[in-house]
Amino acid sequence: DGGITQSPKYLFRKEGQNVTLSCEQNLNHDAMYWYRQDPGQGLRLIYYSQIVNDFQKGDIAEGYSVSREKKESFPLTVTSAQKNPTAFYLCASSPQGASYGYTFGSGTRLTVV
Amino acid sequence: GENVEQHPSTLSVQEGDSAVIKCTYSDSASNYFPWYKQELGKRPQLIIDIRSNVGEKKDQRIAVTLNKTAKHFSLHITETQPEDSAVYFCAPQSGTYKYIFGTGTRLKVLA
Repeated sequence: DGGITQSPKYLFRKEGQNVTLSCEQNLNHDAMYWYRQDPGQGLRLIYYSQIVNDFQKGDIAEGYSVSREKKESFPLTVTSAQKNPTAFYLCASSPQGASYGYTFGSGTRLTVV
Repeated sequence: GENVEQHPSTLSVQEGDSAVIKCTYSDSASNYFPWYKQELGKRPQLIIDIRSNVGEKKDQRIAVTLNKTAKHFSLHITETQPEDSAVYFCAPQSGTYKYIFGTGTRLKVLA
């Protein structure tokens, strides 16, 4: 998927369960991002990371956690504290600085069962 | 905080006609202005972008114009085709590493 891979494509979560979404890129991009998209809605920023071992909260970080131990990887954990996690999750990456646009992964569709 | 508004929210045009989508932003420090196209169930893809030192950029049937004084930029699609049907998002830069996405415009091209 253009150098950025998200897995799985579909994920089902039971009530009270934590789940982790994977995002890997081989584009040598410094910055990585997680967005949430609800049906018919725009994209809302959950977390972003500019460099390894550093990340910042976005607009809707509550109930989510991330790590950035490697430049290539930026996994997102949806915790049980996120009460309405059903959504389409998109990971993106960008070269250093914000003037190059994003490359998006193909997304993970998370459903609570 | 930063505010991004996109209009219209839906747009229907006849095949071959032109479509224009406008994005208004509030962060005067923004200097990068991309447009993304998202087809149903797929990821957004960057289709055109413009930087603040340029007023207009064109790539075949699509163009972007920027009015930095008025804080708005627009996407122009000419000779629309059915495959142009999608949701389009503006996402002006906000700070060094962030973009704020507009709420999207659903474009329908009627054959």
